[in-house]
Amino acid sequence: DAKTTQPTSMDCAEGRAANLPCNHSTISGNEYVYWYRQIHSQGPQYIIHGLKNNETNEMASLIITEDRKSSTLILPHATLRDTAVYYCIVRVATSERSNFGNEKLTFGTGTRLTIIP
Amino acid sequence: NAGVTQTPKFRILKIGQSMTLQCTQDMNHNYMYWYRQDPGMGLKLIYYSVGAGITDKGEVPNGYNVSRSTTEDFPLRLELAAPSQTSVYFCASTLDRRDSGNTIYFGEGSWLTVV
Repeated sequence: DAKTTQPTSMDCAEGRAANLPCNHSTISGNEYVYWYRQIHSQGPQYIIHGLKNNETNEMASLIITEDRKSSTLILPHATLRDTAVYYCIVRVATSERSNFGNEKLTFGTGTRLTIIP
Repeated sequence: NAGVTQTPKFRILKIGQSMTLQCTQDMNHNYMYWYRQDPGMGLKLIYYSVGAGITDKGEVPNGYNVSRSTTEDFPLRLELAAPSQTSVYFCASTLDRRDSGNTIYFGEGSWLTVV
């Protein structure tokens, strides 16, 4: 059921920007793009989400293409603590849910990001 | 708010035993989820619930049961434990707000080993 495609792994030098791509070519107009990360075997941690416009918060920026078929998560100054598995998922907005199946929240395999000293 | 709380954190079961993983949230979230994560793998959805009294199967429901008698609690039951159920289990919840996307909160996980 996963609707996203991500590279299996990526490396990034410490202090540089980490750019993590995600393909969601079948995304619907009412679906949000979410990014989570999981460090070791801890519970996934929310990073950011967006619908159409680019978003920025204290952790990261999210760039969504105009056709919304792909997005990029940007960690502006990666640190060693950013080493984790990053998940990109899509989820329909509540007001647009028309059937029970839309409530499923399915994770893909994610991208294992390694920050190199 | 304590967020999403899971118990126990660690458990060893013998084959054929039964147990319940507890999950509770104090954020008045109506959506709750149970995932399992095998070593080196992603999260797979076991069951989910959109409100008290309403549950449905996810990707890997076999061998598990759930109930949702209250908004706060969403226990996951393993009736006849099998080695294939050795995994880390995560509970999650989110609020059903009509006008925007909603952050999903995760518990810290429950490590289960079946021997």
